[in-house]
Amino acid sequence: EAQVTQNPRYLITVTGKKLTVTCSQNMNHEYMSWYRQDPGLGLRQIYYSMNVEVTDKGDVPEGYKVSRKEKRNFPLILESPSPNQTSLYFCASSFSTRGASYEQYFGPGTRLTVT
Amino acid sequence: DQQVKQNSPSLSVQEGRISILNCDYTNSMFDYFLWYKKYPAEGPTFLISISSIKDKNEDGRFTVFLNKSAKHLSLHIVPSQPGDSAVYFCAASEPREGGSEKLVFGKGTKLTVNP
Repeated sequence: EAQVTQNPRYLITVTGKKLTVTCSQNMNHEYMSWYRQDPGLGLRQIYYSMNVEVTDKGDVPEGYKVSRKEKRNFPLILESPSPNQTSLYFCASSFSTRGASYEQYFGPGTRLTVT
Repeated sequence: DQQVKQNSPSLSVQEGRISILNCDYTNSMFDYFLWYKKYPAEGPTFLISISSIKDKNEDGRFTVFLNKSAKHLSLHIVPSQPGDSAVYFCAASEPREGGSEKLVFGKGTKLTVNP
């Protein structure tokens, strides 16, 4: 089954404790991206990757890091989480390096709470 | 500055009737528009898209209309079914340097279809 998986689905952590949210896709997609969804703000892009070892900032990259060492994986790293990073996070992938204008497949989401 | 606006946070429709979800945008550089549907506790799923060179795209019960002069697009669902109850996100893409795109989402409209 074609899918994007994220782990963990739910996470409660404390300020400053480094964490990683994993994302993996089994569709051999070139393009992968991370979004956060906040009430009243819709979905905002954090980082994206057009291919292995190629990543770039989205609209709200501050406080996040990503890496793309393998085509299928695109982990999101919070080196020192803060309460304003409490949010619902989605990973997405697309077969086209053009990315956005083609259908993106989204993961189920990771609800992160930073206290 | 919100470039993609969905001014109706919610919409309630009777089963069998038409649902019309609206979206306005301000950036004339957007060249592709998409609608995503999101159920609770799931990631968004792609619904339908339209290129800026077209004014209509149809897929089964779903039709998207684009009025470039008014910078307005709408999603029509006919006939509406209870299973269509979800949050609908309008999204628009703009080419970026390097061949990728910037995808901007609206805040979403919650559609409720009553049996």
